Amino acid sequence: AQSVTQPDIHITVSEGASLELRCNYSYGATPYLFWYVQSPGQGLQLLLKYFSGDTLVQGIKGFEAEFKRSQSSFNLRKPSVHWSDAAEYFCAVGASGTYKYIFGTGTRLKVLA
Amino acid sequence: GAGVSQSPRYKVTKRGQDVTLRCDPISSHATLYWYQQALGQGPEFLTYFNYEAQPDKSGLPSDRFSAERPEGSISTLTIQRTEQRDSAMYRCASSSQAGTVKETQYFGPGTRLLVL
Repeated sequence: AQSVTQPDIHITVSEGASLELRCNYSYGATPYLFWYVQSPGQGLQLLLKYFSGDTLVQGIKGFEAEFKRSQSSFNLRKPSVHWSDAAEYFCAVGASGTYKYIFGTGTRLKVLA
Repeated sequence: GAGVSQSPRYKVTKRGQDVTLRCDPISSHATLYWYQQALGQGPEFLTYFNYEAQPDKSGLPSDRFSAERPEGSISTLTIQRTEQRDSAMYRCASSSQAGTVKETQYFGPGTRLLVL
């Protein structure tokens, strides 16, 4: 069955520190992978997506993610976290020709000043 | 419009009442999605529309849930005889080029429903 796992429910980092949010997926076909961010009172905003090609994907707000097929992972990274990055982050998977995204349960990021 | 909007943002209702949630997608987007997000969970697909057609209702939890998009623009999600387990955030998203590599789903702020 298709699934997305975000093992970390909560993560706390200090401002300026590096960040990595984990995402593992289970999908039979070649997946399309997404990271979304949800700030309080806002809708989900797309940070980046992977379809094919270069496995290191650059997104908005200084985020990047790396697709590792051998590990079925698509971890999100940022070299230096800003206080405004505090939010909830969702990983999602889809496939070509489909319209259903499967979302993980989210990781809530807290940033310490 | 400039983005996806949803109304109301919050809805409190009593068990057994009917509720209708509204989604106004980005005006150029043919495809509209509804998701349900329970507390502590990620969004789960309910149904989607291509213009006014509704090809897939498989995610709707029961026949108490229905959705419409009669003119291919604004959509409503109606829950009849609400139950406490219906309490959740209901999210709407819209996109163009659905099912292709170019697709991006744009989400609205959601409607938080609480059934007492």
